[in-house]
Amino acid sequence: GENVEQHPSTLSVQEGDSAVIKCTYSDSASNYFPWYKQELGKRPQLIIDIRSNVGEKKDQRIAVTLNKTAKHFSLHITETQPEDSAVYFCAARGYGNKLVFGAGTILRVKS
Amino acid sequence: DGGITQSPKYLFRKEGQNVTLSCEQNLNHDAMYWYRQDPGQGLRLIYYSQIVNDFQKGDIAEGYSVSREKKESFPLTVTSAQKNPTAFYLCASSPNSYEQYFGPGTRLTVT
Repeated sequence: GENVEQHPSTLSVQEGDSAVIKCTYSDSASNYFPWYKQELGKRPQLIIDIRSNVGEKKDQRIAVTLNKTAKHFSLHITETQPEDSAVYFCAARGYGNKLVFGAGTILRVKS
Repeated sequence: DGGITQSPKYLFRKEGQNVTLSCEQNLNHDAMYWYRQDPGQGLRLIYYSQIVNDFQKGDIAEGYSVSREKKESFPLTVTSAQKNPTAFYLCASSPNSYEQYFGPGTRLTVT
């Protein structure tokens, strides 16, 4: 089945700097890659996603890139703000239309 | 995601008791999912349903049961056979088996 690995597990950046979180997946048939943001005790919120027929997608300060050949995708957050501090999860849609999630990255933005 | 509700927010049970977690959505979504989240970990799929009266096991279905008698409702029963039931349980729904939108979660504690 699909396996998703996410790095780093924790990331600290200074306010205003950029943050990059990377994920790799194992199933070459996976065709959809969402990113979720989860604040402490809250539900995961979908922040951006990309389908396998697109290489990059941008929404204001966040962007996602996909390299199908290497089977990895990344989340880029520019001009980080304290409210970006949260846990971020990547996921890949594989066999059976199921999402398989990475283990998460704790992002801390220091002001 | 405001159209997905889970109740109760907190649930306490004694070991050996079955407990049912509620998940309701008014988004007219066909697909619904149950995930379990343990501290510092990602989301693991318990059960999912892509259509009324049909559901499939996820990666960690042992000790759990579900039903999908109505499109709007996908209750999860945690049985006494589940060895470590204390966790944060998240329900999600999807209009197309791609984007998933999460409910607020139920925190279950079994002592």
